[in-house]
Amino acid sequence: RKEVEQDPGPFNVPEGATVAFNCTYSNSASQSFFWYRQDCRKEPKLLMSVYSSGNEDGRFTAQLNRASQYISLLIRDSKLSDSATYLCVVNRNNNDMRFGAGTRLTVKP
Amino acid sequence: GAGVSQSPSNKVTEKGKDVELRCDPISGHTALYWYRQSLGQGLEFLIYFQGNSAPDKSGLPSDRFSAERTGGSVSTLTIQRTQQEDSAVYLCASSLEPARETQYFGPGTRLLVL
Repeated sequence: RKEVEQDPGPFNVPEGATVAFNCTYSNSASQSFFWYRQDCRKEPKLLMSVYSSGNEDGRFTAQLNRASQYISLLIRDSKLSDSATYLCVVNRNNNDMRFGAGTRLTVKP
Repeated sequence: GAGVSQSPSNKVTEKGKDVELRCDPISGHTALYWYRQSLGQGLEFLIYFQGNSAPDKSGLPSDRFSAERTGGSVSTLTIQRTQQEDSAVYLCASSLEPARETQYFGPGTRLLVL
């Protein structure tokens, strides 16, 4: 079993839709969590950190459930520019970060 | 300031040859990571450095792969006797301490083994 698992998708949604991705992790000692975004043939870039209390950044909401060991990302009012692969990242400890394989999102007009 | 840089940006080599990939992290970043990403796949963790030491080498796919970091800065990933399955994008990332800090990625080296 992979340490960080994500549904690879693809998720194909119309503009304006709300879409949610989940990610599960196996190491219960994991300390911090992130969502990264990767555009086609580009390097990953940080989208947002995930805090225990949940956090929101504009149309994006991230949540963490430590008991069930999953994190989620909700995107409201999807834009064409949201089309990308979304990577779930788990920091085990001491800067040891593990990436999920990513969930591919395509937003269509 | 300058971001993470990697060289070469593209490398084409023949099967059996050795290749060396270079990563220059952001100045002052103590943690450095190497990942591999095959076409259409997610990131595969290879190795990470804290300073010049590598606490976790578990991701290196075989003993043909090695990495070093000197002066707490530049890192090189060496692949000996390359095979066609080594073809991928090799990404380097760096981050500051403490452990919650996020990673900043370089543009990657696209390696093609013929």
